[in-house]
Amino acid sequence: GAVVSQHPSWVICKSGTSVKIECRSLDFQATTMFWYRQFPKQSLMLMATSNEGSKATYEQGVEKDKFLINHASLTLSTLTVTSAHPEDSSFYICSARLREGLTGELFFGEGSRLTVL
Amino acid sequence: DAKTTQPPSMDCAEGRAANLPCNHSTISGNEYVYWYRQIHSQGPQYIIHGLKNNETNEMASLIITEDRKSSTLILPHATLRDTAVYYCIVRATYGNKLVFGAGTILRVKS
Repeated sequence: GAVVSQHPSWVICKSGTSVKIECRSLDFQATTMFWYRQFPKQSLMLMATSNEGSKATYEQGVEKDKFLINHASLTLSTLTVTSAHPEDSSFYICSARLREGLTGELFFGEGSRLTVL
Repeated sequence: DAKTTQPPSMDCAEGRAANLPCNHSTISGNEYVYWYRQIHSQGPQYIIHGLKNNETNEMASLIITEDRKSSTLILPHATLRDTAVYYCIVRATYGNKLVFGAGTILRVKS
């Protein structure tokens, strides 16, 4: 299957700093990428839909100024957690949809674990 | 996208078939049934999907009832590495986001 890579796989930062997480589709072009957040022992929660060349669409309750998403190319989307606080500590996962394909399957990255001290 | 209902957990003996049920009684005609699984601290992994007909690939089989209101994912010979949370999701093709429910925790035991 298609490969989606996230970087970094884990990051620890101080409260008040900003953290950027990258999501890359390695062997295909993705017009659409999705960002999820997952707290311990909970399911994945969709945060936003990232469209190449346009503004991201955020789910209800997700602060767009807090979680900045940029999808500047067909292979890269970034999520920046601005002014991070301990409650932002979570597992962040991206997924990408194949640009071409009969059923638009989504492939997921390995996830990025953020710990805010 | 239609909502799905799955049992919270299941146990399976190693080497046996694991049958994971999913109810999706409000599924509409253009919605596919997708199965993903998530092994601890990893991103979800695509398993299989289908519309009406039963499907099989190297990982699993998907059995969809004739009325499409329920389906079963079958892992023919479960191994310890199949221990994971399995998510059944229904969505229309192209562009629609995947919305995850609680899933089923499958524990494969030796």
